[in-house]
Amino acid sequence: IAGITQAPTSQILAAGRRMTLRCTQDMRHNAMYWYRQDLGLGLRLIHYSNTAGTTGKGEVPDGYSVSRANTDDFPLTLASAVPSQTSVYFCASSPASYNEQFFGPGTRLTVL
Amino acid sequence: GQNIDQPTEMTATEGAIVQINCTYQTSGFNGLFWYQQHAGEAPTFLSYNVLDGLEEKGRFSSFLSRSKGYSYLLLKELQMKDSASYLCAVRDSNYQLIWGAGTKLIIKP
Repeated sequence: IAGITQAPTSQILAAGRRMTLRCTQDMRHNAMYWYRQDLGLGLRLIHYSNTAGTTGKGEVPDGYSVSRANTDDFPLTLASAVPSQTSVYFCASSPASYNEQFFGPGTRLTVL
Repeated sequence: GQNIDQPTEMTATEGAIVQINCTYQTSGFNGLFWYQQHAGEAPTFLSYNVLDGLEEKGRFSSFLSRSKGYSYLLLKELQMKDSASYLCAVRDSNYQLIWGAGTKLIIKP
């Protein structure tokens, strides 16, 4: 079934640990995005990639890194997790940056 | 700064009509999106406006006035399954989406 998958579904992590959230899409979309969603706030863009091999910083990039080695995968890494990174993380993709975005099911991350 | 404003919560009755407003101030404008998000789920695309006027799609319609920095989402013949959060997002001059905090719509029988 075409779409976007994210893993893990949820995770509890000790502060200071390294964590990679995985995102894979099979729609051959060029653009991919990582957002975090916190209660009372709108979705905030962490990093994005307009095409394989390129990445850019969003509104809240500090403490996160991404890579885009191929079209399908866009992993998000927390190098040293902190409690303020407790959030729901959504990966999204779109055919191009000017199209609507399609979202994955999300990863609920708790940092203790 | 960039800002998207929506009411936090609205309540409506099954079978009725509800209008969810969105006002925005952004650096540039390249379109406005509405998404629906059920609790615990991912946002799903509802509508897109880039020119002034009304876009109709079944029970849902979306209106845009660029001069007023204003949009609304109109939901007709409300059903219980329409209980969800509705997110307004504006694509800015960098082609990034700026999101409102969402409006939680509660439908009562």
